[in-house]
Amino acid sequence: QVTLRESGPALLRPTQTLTLTCTFSGFSLSTTGMCVSWVRQPPGKALEWLALIDWEDDKYYTPSLKTRLTISKDTSRDQVVLTMSNMGPVDTATYYCARIPNAGNYFDYWGQGTLVTVSS
Amino acid sequence: QSVLTQPPSVSAAPGQKVTISCSGSRSNIGNNHVSWYQQLPGTTPKLLIYDNHQRPSGIPNRISASKSGTSATLDITGLQTGDEADYYCGAWDSSLSAVVFGGGTKLTVL
Repeated sequence: QVTLRESGPALLRPTQTLTLTCTFSGFSLSTTGMCVSWVRQPPGKALEWLALIDWEDDKYYTPSLKTRLTISKDTSRDQVVLTMSNMGPVDTATYYCARIPNAGNYFDYWGQGTLVTVSS
Repeated sequence: QSVLTQPPSVSAAPGQKVTISCSGSRSNIGNNHVSWYQQLPGTTPKLLIYDNHQRPSGIPNRISASKSGTSATLDITGLQTGDEADYYCGAWDSSLSAVVFGGGTKLTVL
């Protein structure tokens, strides 16, 4: 059974750095073709893809946020970590981690999401 | 401004058919597979379609999709009130080396 769970702070102050952890089970990120990604959704708005890390530790970022994002994995702990620097109110959103199987470009399993609010 | 273009909303009566379009370019839909997601109010997105037209197990065959050139469509027949949700298309963009989504389409079953 594949599960993913996001964890991290619910509230951040402007300019702080967000660190989110995706803890997953039911698959291994060392399996050929496996990837984990982060997607966010501001309240009432559309999905926005953020970053992806694959089984070979290759990393991809959305161009508009590339300078602020870092994605990493700890295969032994079945975790993927996303950091986003210089957070602002516009970054208030629900952040999801999701699995991409078979080196595809679709998300077959999603975490429940974690709401991050940026406010002074 | 999303890379993939979807109509903001569509509506149809129960039992009818609705089509949701997703328009892109050669670098995304034109050369890569399309996926579709359903997001019921207050819930997590759910995969409906992958690889342009493939349904994961558990997705009923009244939900179908296709791709032609740089556009894709999602069809839902036999509409039910439980189909009211936001629907998103997604694809890999080879020029951006990034996943791109549409802006989402809100389906209302009248």
